[in-house]
Amino acid sequence: GNSVTQMEGPVTLSEEAFLTINCTYTATGYPSLFWYVQYPGEGLQLLLKATKADDKGSNKGFEATYRKETTSFHLEKGSVQVSDSAVYFCAADSWGKLQFGAGTQVVVTP
Amino acid sequence: EAGVAQSPRYKIIEKRQSVAFWCNPISGHATLYWYQQILGQGPKLLIQFQNNGVVDDSQLPKDRFSAERLKGVDSTLKIQPAKLEDSAVYLCASSFPHLEMNTGELFFGEGSRLTVL
Repeated sequence: GNSVTQMEGPVTLSEEAFLTINCTYTATGYPSLFWYVQYPGEGLQLLLKATKADDKGSNKGFEATYRKETTSFHLEKGSVQVSDSAVYFCAADSWGKLQFGAGTQVVVTP
Repeated sequence: EAGVAQSPRYKIIEKRQSVAFWCNPISGHATLYWYQQILGQGPKLLIQFQNNGVVDDSQLPKDRFSAERLKGVDSTLKIQPAKLEDSAVYLCASSFPHLEMNTGELFFGEGSRLTVL
């Protein structure tokens, strides 16, 4: 089955800093890849996705590129805001089975 | 559009007691999921329904956990008897059926937090 590994948190940053959260996966076939975000007190919501190799997902200033050669889907944002403080989950979906990573907490300070 | 509704939001019980969680998915979503999220871990799929049929329950501890979706709309997850290690957030999610493989997006409820003492 699938497995997803993402960097451990918490990641603490100052506002306007550059954010990278690493994510790698193992899967049978070619999974779709997702980043979900969980803001404090809210449910998980989809942040972005990519369904095939070299696709780039983007949303709210975040980007991630599907790298088949390195089986990675790293999340990046050039300038974070306090409102980006949340837990970020990388996930892979093969044949209708969505597997999540453990999550990375991001704390952005003013 | 209303989101996925779950209740209760919080529940505290003693071990060996029972508990039930309810989920109402987004209208028209045929696929419903229950996930368990233990603190510090990612969500783990417990059971997946397609309409009122079970698609995957391979990770559901069937000796104590049960779930049903009798009319293909809302669903109930029950734990009986509860153990300390069942303390977690129970997430319900729904989606349209996968029209083709590898394209699904899940919509999550806010979760039900269970504490077993």
